Amino acid sequence: AQSVTQLGSHVSVSEGALVLLRCNYSSSVPPYLFWYVQYPNQGLQLLLKYTTGATLVKGINGFEAEFKKSETSFHLTKPSAHMSDAAEYFCAVSEWGYNQGGKLIFGQGTELSVKP
Amino acid sequence: DGGITQSPKYLFRKEGQNVTLSCEQNLNHDAMYWYRQDPGQGLRLIYYSQIVNDFQKGDIAEGYSVSREKKESFPLTVTSAQKNPTAFYLCASKSQPRNQPQHFGDGTRLSIL
Repeated sequence: AQSVTQLGSHVSVSEGALVLLRCNYSSSVPPYLFWYVQYPNQGLQLLLKYTTGATLVKGINGFEAEFKKSETSFHLTKPSAHMSDAAEYFCAVSEWGYNQGGKLIFGQGTELSVKP
Repeated sequence: DGGITQSPKYLFRKEGQNVTLSCEQNLNHDAMYWYRQDPGQGLRLIYYSQIVNDFQKGDIAEGYSVSREKKESFPLTVTSAQKNPTAFYLCASKSQPRNQPQHFGDGTRLSIL
């Protein structure tokens, strides 16, 4: 069965510092991977996705993620944190298999705090 | 602009009452989903529908019901059988190709009176 693990339920960084949010997945087939961001009392917004092709994926708001098959990882990074990046971040993998209906398996989420 | 509209934003339920959460999309997506979000538990799938007039149970369907009479609409009813309905409910939709992401509405927060 597929699964997603996000390491660290809370991450705190200083403004201007590197942001690194970790995501590991398990899948017996090539995965489709997604990162979403959620601001308080709002829905999820897609940051970026990996399907096929280039393993370094660039998304919105300066975020990027690298798909590493050998490490089964899809970590999210941003070179310089901004106060507006404070939010909850979810990693997800598309469930594989016939008639799975495009379901996503989500990690537990990582709450990012940015200190001034 | 195309998107997903959930209403109401906030909803209160009395004991023994059924309440219905609305989800409408104008993205022409075939598939729609309902999730429940509780603090520290991520998103849990309640029901999903791949086409009109068809839907499947997710991981936590007990105490909930849905219908899919129109492509644009996927309402969720929280029945009195759901003993702990207080949560944030999110609706999503996606187009057919597997590599396409799900798009989310802004959610409905349900509380018990």
